[in-house]
Amino acid sequence: NAGVIQTPRHKVTGKGQEATLWCEPISGHSAVFWYRQTIVQGLEFLTYFRNQAPIDDSGMPKERFSAQMPNQSHSTLKIQSTQPQDSAVYLCASSSGGAGDTQYFGPGTRLLVL
Amino acid sequence: GDSVTQTEGLVTLTEGLPVMLNCTYQTIYSNPFLFWYVQHLNESPRLLLKSFTDNKRTEHQGFHATLHKSSSSFHLQKSSAQLSDSALYYCALSDYNVLYFGSGTKLTVEP
Repeated sequence: NAGVIQTPRHKVTGKGQEATLWCEPISGHSAVFWYRQTIVQGLEFLTYFRNQAPIDDSGMPKERFSAQMPNQSHSTLKIQSTQPQDSAVYLCASSSGGAGDTQYFGPGTRLLVL
Repeated sequence: GDSVTQTEGLVTLTEGLPVMLNCTYQTIYSNPFLFWYVQHLNESPRLLLKSFTDNKRTEHQGFHATLHKSSSSFHLQKSSAQLSDSALYYCALSDYNVLYFGSGTKLTVEP
């Protein structure tokens, strides 16, 4: 079991550019979560999918951020017109989808917006 | 809404001394799940322990915590700190799936 896979591990973009982050959940896991980690804000929930359907996006900034899960083996987080304040580590996690199930985190994508 | 409070941002201990990291929470749900995640330097968070049952002690890797719904607390304890325990510790709350994290406590264990 390779665990949750995230690519790229590091990404540097210029202000105003688009960034797409990829996540491959653990095989067989039905729930996929996206979190953002910064020194100032800590770990913040962004959005999650269960069985590929979007369930809760209450943590997503309403503009510029979008997430999709086109199939059970990957999810993407897209940030349009990136801003310096978007710089963070973006973490993807997956779980079996049951109440209170353990979430397994990927290594994260460190995004730096210059 | 749901929230988790970790009062200590930084804790520094000498090896061999006991560890206690505080965690309190607020939620409207009567049956929340509480978690402790640990994050070592340059790694991602991983589960340390979790609980759903009131007043039941949960243990893993020498750490333990007891969920007390009466005081909305889930403090993390260990009897004797080790150098390898140095890490960032997050307390988290879930009503079903989504994790709501506290601000984290950075534990440094010194020789």
